[in-house]
Amino acid sequence: AQSVTQLDSQVPVFEEAPVELRCNYSSSVSVYLFWYVQYPNQGLQLLLKYLSGSTLVESINGFEAEFNKSQTSFHLRKPSVHISDTAEYFCAVSTNTGGFKTIFGAGTRLFVKA
Amino acid sequence: DAGVIQSPRHEVTEMGQEVTLRCKPISGHDYLFWYRQTMMRGLELLIYFNNNVPIDDSGMPEDRFSAKMPNASFSTLKIQPSEPRDSAVYFCASSPPNRGRGDTQYFGPGTRLTVL
Repeated sequence: AQSVTQLDSQVPVFEEAPVELRCNYSSSVSVYLFWYVQYPNQGLQLLLKYLSGSTLVESINGFEAEFNKSQTSFHLRKPSVHISDTAEYFCAVSTNTGGFKTIFGAGTRLFVKA
Repeated sequence: DAGVIQSPRHEVTEMGQEVTLRCKPISGHDYLFWYRQTMMRGLELLIYFNNNVPIDDSGMPEDRFSAKMPNASFSTLKIQPSEPRDSAVYFCASSPPNRGRGDTQYFGPGTRLTVL
């Protein structure tokens, strides 16, 4: 069975500072990895995903994540955050075996301060 | 595309009452998921459908919960009778035909349920 651990429940950071949101997963088979973002009072929306190929994936708004198979990690980073990045971020994993289930982590609340 | 549509957006009811949440997935998507989100338990998958057929309902908390998908464009999640511990935000999500299990899920705006 797969599992996802997001190591930080809350991350406060000042505007224009870099940020890293940590995610580790556990799986005995190959995985697909996702980061979703949830803005206040909205549903989740995909930020970026890793399926195969290059281990570094990027989103259109400056976030990136790197798949590290040896460390079973998929940390999310941004070199300079904005106030508008304040949201909850969910790491998720699915696999190519068994049922079509995506397992979500507990979420990390990113709070960007002016 | 209008995205995934959920109704109502907010529901306040009294303990013991029946509650029905509704979802219209994105046209062409053949996977539909129901999730529940609470502060204590985070995001939980309740049930998912493929081509209108329930595939995995192991996350449904108890017999008070039931879900149906009578056609490709409509699904309901029913709680009868409702209890205060059912208070949560319920999300519906849909996903396009599965080509390798790496497909994105598209979430609706959620229904905030409060059971008094």
